[in-house]
Amino acid sequence: RKEVEQDPGPFNVPEGATVAFNCTYSNSASQSFFWYRQDCRKEPKLLMSVYSSGNEDGRFTAQLNRASQYISLLIRDSKLSDSATYLCVVTDNYGQNFVFGPGTRLSVLP
Amino acid sequence: NAGVTQTPKFRVLKTGQSMTLLCAQDMNHEYMYWYRQDPGMGLRLIHYSVGEGTTAKGEVPDGYNVSRLKKQNFLLGLESAAPSQTSVYFCASSLDPGYEQYFGPGTRLTVT
Repeated sequence: RKEVEQDPGPFNVPEGATVAFNCTYSNSASQSFFWYRQDCRKEPKLLMSVYSSGNEDGRFTAQLNRASQYISLLIRDSKLSDSATYLCVVTDNYGQNFVFGPGTRLSVLP
Repeated sequence: NAGVTQTPKFRVLKTGQSMTLLCAQDMNHEYMYWYRQDPGMGLRLIHYSVGEGTTAKGEVPDGYNVSRLKKQNFLLGLESAAPSQTSVYFCASSLDPGYEQYFGPGTRLTVT
């Protein structure tokens, strides 16, 4: 089993749609959780950290379920500019390294 | 404040040649990382460093060596390049593992 798994995608959605990404991780000792965004042929950039209580940043909502080892990202009212690959990231049990999921590609269509 | 920079941006090597990729950060971060990204595989950690003078192996270290002689620089070496090392290489740094990683723009390496 891979350490971090994500929806295979791609997701093709119309502008204004709500889209949800799912991520599962295998290491129950993981301490920190993130969503990164990567545009085509660019470097990954932090979208948001994920906290146990859940957190929201504008149109983006992230949730963490430690018992199920599951992370989610919800994008509301999607924009053309949201088109990118979304990477789920967790730290390993030593807390020193980041483990990246394979990513889920999103295309928002006009 | 340039953040994380990588040199070179592109390189083509012949099998057996050697090269060094340079990563530099100006944020005074302790932690630095080298990843490779291949289609469908996501980012995989090659080597990392938790401070000046220290290095450690990641998930896919074979065929690579690293050095961190100065806090701001992290070098990735390929002693004898192989076609399997064709990839995009990203360097990253962070203040602490629980905090955001900042990535460089990447180096696209092709080994023929």
